[in-house]
Amino acid sequence: DARVTQTPRHKVTEMGQEVTMRCQPILGHNTVFWYRQTMMQGLELLAYFRNRAPLDDSGMPKDRFSAEMPDATLATLKIQPSEPRDSAVYFCASVNSGGSQPQHFGDGTRLSIL
Amino acid sequence: GESVGLHLPTLSVQEGDNSIINCAYSNSASDYFIWYKQESGKGPQFIIDIRSNMDKRQGQRVTVLLNKTVKHLSLQIAATQPGDSAVYFCAENPRAAGNKLTFGGGTRVLVKP
Repeated sequence: DARVTQTPRHKVTEMGQEVTMRCQPILGHNTVFWYRQTMMQGLELLAYFRNRAPLDDSGMPKDRFSAEMPDATLATLKIQPSEPRDSAVYFCASVNSGGSQPQHFGDGTRLSIL
Repeated sequence: GESVGLHLPTLSVQEGDNSIINCAYSNSASDYFIWYKQESGKGPQFIIDIRSNMDKRQGQRVTVLLNKTVKHLSLQIAATQPGDSAVYFCAENPRAAGNKLTFGGGTRVLVKP
């Protein structure tokens, strides 16, 4: 089965450190989403890309978060500097933009900022 | 659906019984709906979807019902098994939103042996 792959699965670091999360979308999927999940807020959309171009990053704190797609097989989400309130599970999802299709999710990066 | 924050609605069901999970969606322009299952430590997993030109769709042990008049979606699980214990999310895709989804807050299903 084709899967979205996220690395690392877990990350624990101290506040102020840079964090980079990576996502390999399903081959052939041209649209990639980044979500954050917390107990308080549920699933929040942070940003998404189509054909590697950012379409919407309005859900992302601009001062410390950045998202990129260096190529079609890699999406990155960076936090610099990280803060304790960034602790959450970050999910990547991908879909082919042709027609109504379900997004397919990775298993997330569980981030803890001490 | 709106996020319900800390307190997820919980459905306790006896193994072997049928489960019904409900979802109220918010956007009358939504024309595509998806149910996801999320197990502990994993990402949401696609279960079944339905387009707005249908009111019912069946999969293996699951049925999704769509009532556009009252903006209501339900997921029925037949003969619930311990492996069905998870959080279930509905998601809606508004027509003009491309592939963006709006997620409901989720319902936790606990299967009692």
